[in-house]
Amino acid sequence: QQQVKQSPQSLIVQKGGISIINCAYENTAFDYFPWYQQFPGKGPALLIAIRPDVSEKKEGRFTISFNKSAKQFSLHIMDSQPGDSATYFCAATWITGTASKLTFGTGTRLQVTL
Amino acid sequence: EPEVTQTPSHQVTQMGQEVILRCVPISNHLYFYWYRQILGQKVEFLVSFYNNEISEKSEIFDDQFSVERPDGSNFTLKIRSTKLEDSAMYFCASSDRRLLANTGELFFGEGSRLTVL
Repeated sequence: QQQVKQSPQSLIVQKGGISIINCAYENTAFDYFPWYQQFPGKGPALLIAIRPDVSEKKEGRFTISFNKSAKQFSLHIMDSQPGDSATYFCAATWITGTASKLTFGTGTRLQVTL
Repeated sequence: EPEVTQTPSHQVTQMGQEVILRCVPISNHLYFYWYRQILGQKVEFLVSFYNNEISEKSEIFDDQFSVERPDGSNFTLKIRSTKLEDSAMYFCASSDRRLLANTGELFFGEGSRLTVL
């Protein structure tokens, strides 16, 4: 199975708070676990990505925590800002030879309020 | 900054008509993809393409769909006989081997909205 399950579907966080989005996967053959950010009317754009042999990756206010044994990973947005309001998709990528595929989760609509 | 460009931004068509969506991937990328997103829903994989061949396709990508790289810069998605349920935003994406190996990153265009009446 190449599904990626994501929760919650929507999230409202106050400015300065921590936003947490969770994902779970089934296929152990994935090579990368990226998070994409999508603003209305735009295409998804890579936010941060992690390899399955790393337990945590931090870039600025964004952190991915990865639990390989549980097949789960999460995005933490520290000090959330109104400009972070967007839809966030977790994803999983596999690459083999010349074939590659990125599978998205169902998305989380984040709203950061003042 | 290099970007993936897509045309048209919005196309309205009648059911049963053929539609061609066009994409210009980032110039040195060799891996190309089409995804679709029905309004407010998840982004679904349609097809990946490398070296002038389809390398992977989903169940959605049936005989009504085809992809082509007609020249050195364009990558197209054709829907032969559109159905109402084909109404969606279609995203083109591209990548190269280094990006895929390092982060698995795909660069996405801004999408083509298809409305089938």
